[in-house]
Amino acid sequence: QVTLRESGPALVKPTQTLTLTCTFSGFSLSTSGMCVSWIRQPPGKALEWLARIDWDDGKYYSTSLQTRLTISKDTSKSQVVLTLTNMDAADTATYYCARTGLSSGYGVAFDYWGQGTLVTVSS
Amino acid sequence: DIQMTQSPSSLSASVGDRVTISCRASQSIRSYLNWYQQKPGKAPKLLIYAASGLPGGVPSRFSGSGSGTDFTLTISGLQPEDFATYYCQQSFSTPRTFGQGTKLEIK
Repeated sequence: QVTLRESGPALVKPTQTLTLTCTFSGFSLSTSGMCVSWIRQPPGKALEWLARIDWDDGKYYSTSLQTRLTISKDTSKSQVVLTLTNMDAADTATYYCARTGLSSGYGVAFDYWGQGTLVTVSS
Repeated sequence: DIQMTQSPSSLSASVGDRVTISCRASQSIRSYLNWYQQKPGKAPKLLIYAASGLPGGVPSRFSGSGSGTDFTLTISGLQPEDFATYYCQQSFSTPRTFGQGTKLEIK
C-alpha cells in the first residue's frame, strides 16, 4: 500500500526558509522510474507544481521558483525534503507531495498524493 | 513552460446530466494529459491518465479524449459525489503544469 505524508511547520515568518518533509511507504525511490514531486495550492486557487526528484537523483524545478527551491532525498529513510527560501505571504498554501511511478501503469501521472500540509506565512 | 487552459471555469449541472470540460495546451503534448478530481479539503485524486486511461476504481461514467492540444473530460450521468473541482495537467515536459480548474456545482 502506497502512502505519502507531508510534515513541517504550520507557520513561518516572512524571509524565513521553509523545510518540508515527505515521508512515504509502499515504494522505494531507488526503484527505476519512481519520482516524487511537490505541488502547492494557495487557498481557493489552482494547483502549482514546484519540484520533482527522480530515482536517479535527477532534480527539476518550477521555472518561476527555481532560485528559491531545493529538493533532496534520503532513500534509506524513504523521505524527500523540499526547502523554499525567502518565504512571503504569497507562499501561503497547502503543500502536497505526490508520486509518479513509471511502472505503475499510469504513465507519468501523479497516482498517489499525501493529504497535504497547510503553511501560513505571517509575522 | 506549457500553458494549460481549462473551460469553463465553473459549471452548474444536475444529477444525471452529461457534462464536458475542455482543456487546451499551448503546444502539442501528444497524449500526455491527466485529469484530477479534488473535493474540498482533500488531496487531488487521479481520474484519467494519458488522455483516456481509466485508473482502477474510477467509475466508467468518467471518460477522457483528445490528443495534441485539445482534450475533453466527460462525465456521463452525474452523481452527487461528482460535484468537485477538476484539473487537467500535462506530463509531456518539465516543468509540469496544471489548468486553472473547473468547479462543478449542483444546479
